[in-house]
Amino acid sequence: EVQLVQSGAEVKKPGESLKISCKGSGYSFTNYWIGWVRQMPGKGLEWMGIIYPGDSDTRYTPSFQGQVTISADKSISTAFLKWSSLKASDTAMYYCATPSSGSVLDAFDVWGQGTMVTVSS
Amino acid sequence: DIQMTQSPSSLSASVGDRVTITCQASQDITNHLNWYQQKPGKAPKVLIYDASNLETGVPSRFSGSGSGTDFTLTISSLQPEDSATYYCQQFDILLTWTFGQGTKVEIK
Repeated sequence: EVQLVQSGAEVKKPGESLKISCKGSGYSFTNYWIGWVRQMPGKGLEWMGIIYPGDSDTRYTPSFQGQVTISADKSISTAFLKWSSLKASDTAMYYCATPSSGSVLDAFDVWGQGTMVTVSS
Repeated sequence: DIQMTQSPSSLSASVGDRVTITCQASQDITNHLNWYQQKPGKAPKVLIYDASNLETGVPSRFSGSGSGTDFTLTISSLQPEDSATYYCQQFDILLTWTFGQGTKVEIK
């Protein structure tokens, strides 16, 4: 069974750095694209970007380019989402997702449970 | 960038009603359109992929149609468990994805 398990909730102060994780299991992690989605409190879903762990090919939605860094470590089947300097507006639930078919053009039907990030002074 | 305009933003309907949600793309996306359902506190779940294909395990009262720029999600007979927020999502060969703004469906 294809499964994604995300790291736990985080509470940080503005200006701090943070890296959250998404660990894949039950499939060939190297060959499946993983996407990241932001959902701010009470708001809709926003696609942030996507990475192919096999070669670390990464694509960002323009509004997130330069704001976060998406990476992956094949050796531990884990994708990451990193901030170098958090802002209060980064407070949100973050989901990772992957297509169980392995095809990037298929629906992303496997989702992590979400990581809640709270940024507050 | 391709923009997705979803409507309505919310609706209230009775059990058994037929419900329709629309999604319009700012340019032709052929059939590269998925529909998701999200319940409070849960991750989104795929209902329809490639505009009109029902995801395995999804009740047949859900259906999708459309191609090009105009798409529709229909719930043929609304059930209490369908109370949720629904999102369309487009994807293209440049590997960019965009969600619609969402439609919150409430049961009267």
